Amino acid sequence: GAVVSQHPSRVICKSGTSVKIECRSLDFQATTMFWYRQFPKQSLMLMATSNEGSKATYEQGVEKDKFLINHASLTLSTLTVTSAHPEDSSFYICSARDFADHLNTGELFFGEGSRLTVL
Amino acid sequence: AQSVSQHNHHVILSEAASLELGCNYSYGGTVNLFWYVQYPGQHLQLLLKYFSGDPLVKGIKGFEAEFIKSKFSFNLRKPSVQWSDTAEYFCAVNAGTNAGKSTFGDGTTLTVKP
Repeated sequence: GAVVSQHPSRVICKSGTSVKIECRSLDFQATTMFWYRQFPKQSLMLMATSNEGSKATYEQGVEKDKFLINHASLTLSTLTVTSAHPEDSSFYICSARDFADHLNTGELFFGEGSRLTVL
Repeated sequence: AQSVSQHNHHVILSEAASLELGCNYSYGGTVNLFWYVQYPGQHLQLLLKYFSGDPLVKGIKGFEAEFIKSKFSFNLRKPSVQWSDTAEYFCAVNAGTNAGKSTFGDGTTLTVKP
């Protein structure tokens, strides 16, 4: 099946620094990728939709200058948490839609997630 | 806007018991429906999906789900659970547009006791 790789799986940083998380589709092309936050024992909170070659679409309440998303190629999207603070500590997950989803089912393939801890 | 409601937050079963996890959605148009599973320490993966055809869909590991349009429901079932089914289960709905944005339920934690 389609594989999505997310890196790093864990990152610890100091308050005020920026952290970049990568999401790669390994064996398929993904024109659309999604970024989520997952809080303990809660569902996935969609942060933004990342489209290759265009600006990301952010959900209401998500600061676009805080969470920079770049989708430079059909297999890579990056999320940069800028000037991170302890409240940004969370589990960040990406997912991708296969470009070849011709039936338009919207099936998603998920990365392993990245645990961010801001000290 | 679409929304998804999962009725059970935490379900505890003994092995061989039958399972049914409820999922209701609100959206007036055509939908694609999914169940995703997250095993401990692993990433989310697709369990099964409905997008057209037979409303009773079968997925991996003996799971099935039935789409009942009149009830806006897509309940997940398994006749006999195993300890290895212990996981977090998420129901999701997608409006089938090109944007492909899925809405997820809050998830149900299933614990199967050996």
